[in-house]
Amino acid sequence: AQTVTQSQPEMSVQEAETVTLSCTYDTSENNYYLFWYKQPPSRQMILVIRQEAYKQQNATENRFSVNFQKAAKSFSLKISDSQLGDTAMYFCAFTFSSNSGYALNFGKGTSLLVTP
Amino acid sequence: GAVVSQHPSRVICKSGTSVKIECRSLDFQATTMFWYRQFPKQSLMLMATSNEGSKATYEQGVEKDKFLINHASLTLSTLTVTSAHPEDSSFYICSARARARKVTEAFFGQGTRLTVV
Repeated sequence: AQTVTQSQPEMSVQEAETVTLSCTYDTSENNYYLFWYKQPPSRQMILVIRQEAYKQQNATENRFSVNFQKAAKSFSLKISDSQLGDTAMYFCAFTFSSNSGYALNFGKGTSLLVTP
Repeated sequence: GAVVSQHPSRVICKSGTSVKIECRSLDFQATTMFWYRQFPKQSLMLMATSNEGSKATYEQGVEKDKFLINHASLTLSTLTVTSAHPEDSSFYICSARARARKVTEAFFGQGTRLTVV
């Protein structure tokens, strides 16, 4: 079974500062994909960043970057220059080819609060 | 592009009645649609996967006779909660995978908050 663990239920960061959200996962698959999704109060799921497991280079999207440690099965998200609009729930997610056709397996989420 | 519209956004129904939630891909063909359930302050749990023209595949513990999923066309999937009870109250979210996009790209609807009274 594939599991995704987010050990930080809540985090807080000041505007313009940097914050790192942790995620670990467990799988026996070799070919898989990892994601970070943001869910603001509107509850619309928004893709933040994705990483293919076969790629060694860490993915980066503007202020968002990941630290992908495949051997350690770790996939942390770094948010630089935090903005008030970054306040949201952040979910780490995992997928691979399976009977569920690349359905996403989510962690429990980290609630991030960005303060002025 | 790649917009998924979910309707209704909120619905209140009486216990024992059925309610239908629609998930439409507006500008692409959705080969696969996924239905998730999210309890307050919790994660999204996969309920079922549906492919166009075939029966849905339900996750363990999800009652297929209670949560009827139909994916009759490449742009529409529906979730019907039959004989709803208060414990079915939850946030339901659909997502769709596009035929012409990467298999791992998932586009989400805005969700439906169901309250059963």
